[in-house]
Amino acid sequence: GEEVAQTPKHLVRGEGQKAKLYCAPIKGHSYVFWYQQVLKNEFKFLISFQNENVFDETGMPKERFSAKCLPNSPCSLEIQATKLEDSAVYFCASSQSTSGGHNEQFFGPGTRLTVL
Amino acid sequence: AQSVSQHNHHVILSEAASLELGCNYSYGGTVNLFWYVQYPGQHLQLLLKYFSGDPLVKGIKGFEAEFIKSKFSFNLRKPSVQWSDTAEYFCAVRAISSGSARQLTFGSGTQLTVLP
Repeated sequence: GEEVAQTPKHLVRGEGQKAKLYCAPIKGHSYVFWYQQVLKNEFKFLISFQNENVFDETGMPKERFSAKCLPNSPCSLEIQATKLEDSAVYFCASSQSTSGGHNEQFFGPGTRLTVL
Repeated sequence: AQSVSQHNHHVILSEAASLELGCNYSYGGTVNLFWYVQYPGQHLQLLLKYFSGDPLVKGIKGFEAEFIKSKFSFNLRKPSVQWSDTAEYFCAVRAISSGSARQLTFGSGTQLTVLP
């Protein structure tokens, strides 16, 4: 599609439950990024993919967070055993693969996760 | 690692006033610079971007920004704001030392409120 799609729009989980978020990048875009925005403040980078391969995962809290981008499927971000501090809006972005380095990231509408 | 500072957390202006939002970054290498806007209830939209060339960049909706390399700054300007410009504005930087797919580093955002 022409826009980054994210589902669900809202997700409510009890502390300790699992949460799974999905992202469909723009068709033809090879790079996918996940960001976490807590309390409408700055965006924290979590992980990026080049096609189905992890490109950079330096921002991921690895104990409970995992992510995948499999061929012909939406990318996913999964949080095992959610904690209150995971409450945030999770944004997905995608960018085109070129050799020039001039790649703009297009953002999805976000998934608002509320952990009770 | 790079960082981005937006010193104005909340700016309140009357319609037709001029706007300048500050953005400074810390990174010694080559960067791409962006301003994104987030209207209430909506996702991030790109206002403008700087990759190279003319340091004065014009974006959508009458916004412009000037890259001053010696000051590590990329301030956003608009000569005359409208009520519809009320939104959160984010400055973002991408270090391009490692190619095109590096993640964005965002500032903490500036909430602009324009009074009718």
